[in-house]
Amino acid sequence: DAGVTQSPTHLIKTRGQHVTLRCSPISGHKSVSWYQQVLGQGPQFIFQYYEKEERGRGNFPDRFSARQFPNYSSELNVNALLLGDSALYLCASSLAQAEAFFGQGTRLTVV
Amino acid sequence: SQKIEQNSEALNIQEGKTATLTCNYTNYSPAYLQWYRQDPGRGPVFLLLIRENEKEKRKERLKVTFDTTLKQSLFHITASQPADSATYLCAPFRGQLTFGSGTQLTVLP
Repeated sequence: DAGVTQSPTHLIKTRGQHVTLRCSPISGHKSVSWYQQVLGQGPQFIFQYYEKEERGRGNFPDRFSARQFPNYSSELNVNALLLGDSALYLCASSLAQAEAFFGQGTRLTVV
Repeated sequence: SQKIEQNSEALNIQEGKTATLTCNYTNYSPAYLQWYRQDPGRGPVFLLLIRENEKEKRKERLKVTFDTTLKQSLFHITASQPADSATYLCAPFRGQLTFGSGTQLTVLP
């Protein structure tokens, strides 16, 4: 069975640009969460979606947005990129309130 | 505000010994707490979940305790091996998972 897949794996963007990151959850998982992880820190919660509705939002600016599609895949969008947005972006899927299964992440570098 | 603290220093232990990692939380009442392992450049991998009404959970060489009075969880790896070297993340849950900064464990052969 396929695990959580994220694309792309690596990305380099220029300050001010926009980026879209994609995530496909494990089949049957209806909950998808997004996290940002900078070097030396634990993952920081950005968004959670369940059944296509936003169920939680972390302390991130409005430049960050997300959505979940009918097939439960998800996109994370970041506008007006800043150098400080450089990080590993992780997607996790889960069955209700249970353990989270993470993808390999998208490494975003903003230059 | 909610705060999660893990061992502030990296932990180095000798192969075969027991590693004990600490997770303390404040301003928080998690319904349950999870532990994850993360290798460099990879996503975290789930290890164990312990609920607020459970004191201890075991899985093979892993043991986790949860003391809601002390607001602390301890994570033990017995008979440690070099392959156990990784960063271990504590993640209390109340609405969503909130991760600590992790403890980097190195098991020396």
